[in-house]
Amino acid sequence: GAVVSQHPSRVICKSGTSVKIECRSLDFQATTMFWYRQFPKQSLMLMATSNEGSKATYEQGVEKDKFLINHASLTLSTLTVTSAHPEDSSFYICSASIGDRRVFGSGTQLSVL
Amino acid sequence: GQQLNQSPQSMFIQEGEDVSMNCTSSSIFNTWLWYKQDPGEGPVLLIALYKAGELTSNGRLTAQFGITRKDSFLNISASIPSDVGIYFCAGSSLYGGSQGNLIFGKGTKLSVKP
Repeated sequence: GAVVSQHPSRVICKSGTSVKIECRSLDFQATTMFWYRQFPKQSLMLMATSNEGSKATYEQGVEKDKFLINHASLTLSTLTVTSAHPEDSSFYICSASIGDRRVFGSGTQLSVL
Repeated sequence: GQQLNQSPQSMFIQEGEDVSMNCTSSSIFNTWLWYKQDPGEGPVLLIALYKAGELTSNGRLTAQFGITRKDSFLNISASIPSDVGIYFCAGSSLYGGSQGNLIFGKGTKLSVKP
């Protein structure tokens, strides 16, 4: 079946550094990918919708200059957390649509020290 | 904005028992999805519902799309230890779950006593 591969699965970084998270659709093309954020014991909150070849659409309250999204190809979307701070520590999950389904990546646990 | 109320928040059950959880909304959804999330993993789709009144099964799991389009339930029969995890409902105002924003419930944490 359709697989969305997300890397890295876990990253620890120092405050002020930038972290890039990759989301790949392995056996299908995804013109649209979605980036979610999940705090411990909380639900998934949509951050932005990534569109291949165009600018991402950000949800209200999400800083587009802090969470840079690039969807340069039909199989890859990246989320870069710039100048990360401890409050950015969270579980980030991407997903892609195939047919009438939404498939999720395995998530990236970001810890900012 | 749209919100989903999912209950219960958590439950402990004996192995072999049946489980039921539900989601309600004040607004109409045209697609209901049920996901399971294991710790440190992304959600995995269990059942998708696209039609009001629809009742769909996937093994020991059964879910229904409420006739009012404002609710859905998920039942797990004869629970086993591997059913442990967090179950999320998700709704979309669009037909089909592939596009648009999915609104997620807050999850039901299921713990099974062996």
